[in-house]
Amino acid sequence: QKEVEQDPGPLSVPEGAIVSLNCTYSNSAFQYFMWYRQYSRKGPELLMYTYSSGNKEDGRFTAQVDKSSKYISLFIRDSQPSDSATYLCAMSAEQAGTALIFGKGTTLSVSS
Amino acid sequence: NAGVTQTPKFQVLKTGQSMTLQCAQDMNHEYMSWYRQDPGMGLRLIHYSVGAGITDQGEVPNGYNVSRSTTEDFPLRLLSAAPSQTSVYFCASRRQGALNEKLFFGSGTQLSVL
Repeated sequence: QKEVEQDPGPLSVPEGAIVSLNCTYSNSAFQYFMWYRQYSRKGPELLMYTYSSGNKEDGRFTAQVDKSSKYISLFIRDSQPSDSATYLCAMSAEQAGTALIFGKGTTLSVSS
Repeated sequence: NAGVTQTPKFQVLKTGQSMTLQCAQDMNHEYMSWYRQDPGMGLRLIHYSVGAGITDQGEVPNGYNVSRSTTEDFPLRLLSAAPSQTSVYFCASRRQGALNEKLFFGSGTQLSVL
């Protein structure tokens, strides 16, 4: 079993919808959780960062971490066509983050 | 400010050939890493470095060598290319110990091994 599991999708939603993206993991040592967004033919870019359990909100984006269930989520409110991209979760057991483990990524398409 | 620069953008190799993927960053980042991205597999860490003269293996290091002689450069060497190494390769850098800061990615190198 891979350490981080993420449904690759694709996920298609209409503009304005609330999107929920999720990852599960098996390594209980993971404490640092990130979401990256990757547009086609580009390198990933950091979207959200969360330490340990809890929620973090940034504009239309909310990241949630439930360490007891080993489950993390990214919610996108009022989704826009510009949100169409691949979203990758990433995790690390140490703050230095030398060995960052990525999920497979979920491809999201938002239609106008 | 150039950020992370990868060359070449595209490369086709024959099985058994060797080559070096170049990566350079101008942000004085201590941490640099190489990932490969394959369909359905996500990003997998090949090698990383936390400073000049220091390198370590990631998830999938076999078939690849790295060195870090300067802070700026972190080349990835394929000694004898195999079709299984067909992939998109990304170099990334960040300040060391700054996981919550942005991991800067290059634009990628698409490699095909025939």
